[in-house]
Amino acid sequence: GEEVAQTPKHLVRGEGQKAKLYCAPIKGHSYVFWYQQVLKNEFKFLISFQNENVFDETGMPKERFSAKCLPNSPCSLEIQATKLEDSAVYFCASSQSRNTIYFGEGSWLTVV
Amino acid sequence: AQRVTQPEKLLSVFKGAPVELKCNYSYSGSPELFWYVQYSRQRLQLLLRHISRESIKGFTADLNKGETSFHLKKPFAQEEDSAMYYCALNGMDSSYKLIFGSGTRLLVRP
Repeated sequence: GEEVAQTPKHLVRGEGQKAKLYCAPIKGHSYVFWYQQVLKNEFKFLISFQNENVFDETGMPKERFSAKCLPNSPCSLEIQATKLEDSAVYFCASSQSRNTIYFGEGSWLTVV
Repeated sequence: AQRVTQPEKLLSVFKGAPVELKCNYSYSGSPELFWYVQYSRQRLQLLLRHISRESIKGFTADLNKGETSFHLKKPFAQEEDSAMYYCALNGMDSSYKLIFGSGTRLLVRP
């Protein structure tokens, strides 16, 4: 596709429930990134992939967060046992080179 | 350490006034700098990148390596420019990830 597609747009989960977000990168892009944007508007880098391989996971809270990019499937970001502070907009982005990174519209996660 | 600083959380100007959104960076090598814009919680859109030296929607930004700055400027602000603006750095390491500043909200009043 021509745009990074993220689903769902909105997700509400009770504390302790699992949340799973999906991202279809732009066709032909090898790199996928996940960012978390919390209310103070700061973007926090979570993880990146080069094709199906984890490229950089220095931003991932490893206890409850996991992510995958499998061949012929949308990439996913999963949060086990969500907490209130996980409420944020999760942005996926993709790129083919370091020069331009394209972002999706984001998935709003609300943990209640 | 890689860091991007946007000192202003909010910048309010009147329509037709000049605008300058400040961005300073900290990086030991030669990074690539970008400006992204986000309208009303929509997706981030690339506005400018220093390497292309282009002007988009009347905005320009010049990389000043001596001052480690990449300020965004527009001579005459329009109401439709109201948005969140993020300065970002892509270090020339192997990670490819963008490091974002905290953003500046630009409010252009009629």
